[in-house]
Amino acid sequence: SYVLTQPPSVSVAPGKTARITCGGTNFLSKSVHWYQQKPGQAPVLVIYYDNDRPSGIPERFSGSNSGNTATLTISRVEAGDEADYYCHMWDSSSDHPGVFGTGTKVTVL
Amino acid sequence: EVHLVESGGGLVKPGGSLRLSCAASGFTFSSYSMNWVRQAPGKGLEWVSCITSSSTYIYYAGSLKGRFTISRDNAKNSLYLQMNSLRAEDTAVYYCARGYSSSSDVPFDYWGQGTLVTVSS
Repeated sequence: SYVLTQPPSVSVAPGKTARITCGGTNFLSKSVHWYQQKPGQAPVLVIYYDNDRPSGIPERFSGSNSGNTATLTISRVEAGDEADYYCHMWDSSSDHPGVFGTGTKVTVL
Repeated sequence: EVHLVESGGGLVKPGGSLRLSCAASGFTFSSYSMNWVRQAPGKGLEWVSCITSSSTYIYYAGSLKGRFTISRDNAKNSLYLQMNSLRAEDTAVYYCARGYSSSSDVPFDYWGQGTLVTVSS
């Protein structure tokens, strides 16, 4: 089945930029979505279809998808951005079509 | 406002069965695909199953096929997950999540708060 690999952790100082990668194969034909999950809470969609933002999500969150890597970028990081982040895609050709990335813990220093 | 409320979780012995429910409100339930996603304690998200708006298409994680059955009742605005032959590794919080549209290949734009399933003797 499809595997989406993320770095386990990313540390960033307040006001700086955090970049979280999501690696796989043949991303060009698939859309990637991103979720934020804070401790004890349900996930929240922050980026969908590679680089669209749901209403209510700050412009500081953006996404890109190129080659075999998708990236979630958080600009001007705030303490409230500290959370786990997961990428997600659908692979119709797989027997496990819904796939989440391994998850990245973002720590704000 | 969209609300998804899961129920039916609890403690069950290995080999037992459990039926989870998800009550939906605040939107036209019959127009959206629905999913189950689980999260084992301290672990990441794992997609479990998807059912399209009219139940035309149903998908499962390969490892769960044959033990879990997803269904929906559009008249009752409800989603279900029948889980049989439960194992310790099925212990997790189970979330229901709404698909962005009626199809399967979409992001999950709303999530419930989850229900905990514990499989232990």
